[in-house]
Amino acid sequence: AQSVTQLDSQVPVFEEAPVELRCNYSSSVSVYLFWYVQYPNQGLQLLLKYLSGSTLVKGINGFEAEFNKSQTSFHLRKPSVHISDTAEYFCAVRGRNAGNMLTFGGGTRLMVKP
Amino acid sequence: DTAVSQTPKYLVTQMGNDKSIKCEQNLGHDTMYWYKQDSKKFLKIMFSYNNKELIINETVPNRFSPKSPDKAHLNLHINSLELGDSAVYFCASSQHENSPLHFGNGTRLTVT
Repeated sequence: AQSVTQLDSQVPVFEEAPVELRCNYSSSVSVYLFWYVQYPNQGLQLLLKYLSGSTLVKGINGFEAEFNKSQTSFHLRKPSVHISDTAEYFCAVRGRNAGNMLTFGGGTRLMVKP
Repeated sequence: DTAVSQTPKYLVTQMGNDKSIKCEQNLGHDTMYWYKQDSKKFLKIMFSYNNKELIINETVPNRFSPKSPDKAHLNLHINSLELGDSAVYFCASSQHENSPLHFGNGTRLTVT
């Protein structure tokens, strides 16, 4: 079994400022890690994923995340946000064992202000 | 073309009724899912299904049942609806277990 904690329920930030959305997980097995974004009244879209290899992964829309195994973290970052980045962001984890299902964190609402 | 489509988009019904939500994916994926998103945006897996295996989240009441007429469809049937069933239900699909999920746009269910 695994769990995901997103430490911030809301993150307000001014346009063009950098942002970091925090994600920590716990699992008894090795994991795959994902970040999804949800715009209002829409389903979730994949931002980026970590399966193996380099711990720094780049995704769409200028986002990147770094897998830190020792800290069991997978924080999401963007150096300069836009108004259009305002959305709900979800971190998710799936154990590498067969039969594991994707488990989501509680989400972080990113609010970009002009 | 929509990859994962759900119908209806909105569903308003009374307590005690039985309703179904349909989901279709045209991605050729092997596995489909149903998730429930509550009013606080928390997402909970309800079911995972491929042509071999149905995995049920043990916390899901047995009033909820997935029905898959073929590999491209996974419908959600709910019996005896309760007020607490009000939520947004998302269908999703993936090719493999480590593949990302592709989500539908959700069905907002309101039980009155």
